[in-house]
Amino acid sequence: DQQVKQNSPSLSVQEGRISILNCDYTNSMFDYFLWYKKYPAEGPTFLISISSIKDKNEDGRFTVFLNKSAKHLSLHIVPSQPGDSAVYFCAASATQGAQKLVFGQGTRLTINP
Amino acid sequence: NAGVTQTPKFRILKIGQSMTLQCAQDMNHNYMYWYRQDPGMGLKLIYYSVGAGITDKGEVPNGYNVSRSTTEDFPLRLELAAPSQTSVYFCASRGAGPSNQPQHFGDGTRLSIL
Repeated sequence: DQQVKQNSPSLSVQEGRISILNCDYTNSMFDYFLWYKKYPAEGPTFLISISSIKDKNEDGRFTVFLNKSAKHLSLHIVPSQPGDSAVYFCAASATQGAQKLVFGQGTRLTINP
Repeated sequence: NAGVTQTPKFRILKIGQSMTLQCAQDMNHNYMYWYRQDPGMGLKLIYYSVGAGITDKGEVPNGYNVSRSTTEDFPLRLELAAPSQTSVYFCASRGAGPSNQPQHFGDGTRLSIL
């Protein structure tokens, strides 16, 4: 029973264009969502988050959108740069308690020059 | 600025051996976590701690034990290594402020059980 799903294992985007990564969740108790970026042989690095009281959060080139009725969130990267090539993980938790994160399987993003 | 430090980075164990994966953080964070990541999968929570002396099970605790005697350290113990425990293990921590603070991860320990 996978509570957080990233249905696209990989995504290839041209440099300068928009990258859109998607994530779906099933647990209605989730109210805090995060995106992490991971390079090979390194730990995940926090990118951006959103709580369920918002539907959009922006930080520089990164924007996360949350659609609670559809239980769907997306990460937009504009413009995409070669350094953005990495695996991106969506994670979710209920803010009550110890923030036990549930992760998606990840999407490998490749930015082509 | 060390953050979360995990040792060792790599280890090969034989079936039935035991070992302890070390995790230390220098940010005075109350919360600490252990995750494992299998190939092509997301991270799964093994154990977590909300402060020194307090630990609890996550999603996949079987075959592991933890202790938290200090704020800084959160070791993960494998008592009888099995091939199914071959994975990359990540430790994370976060502060005790608002519950929407993100977790910060170490660089992982890659463990192979042969």
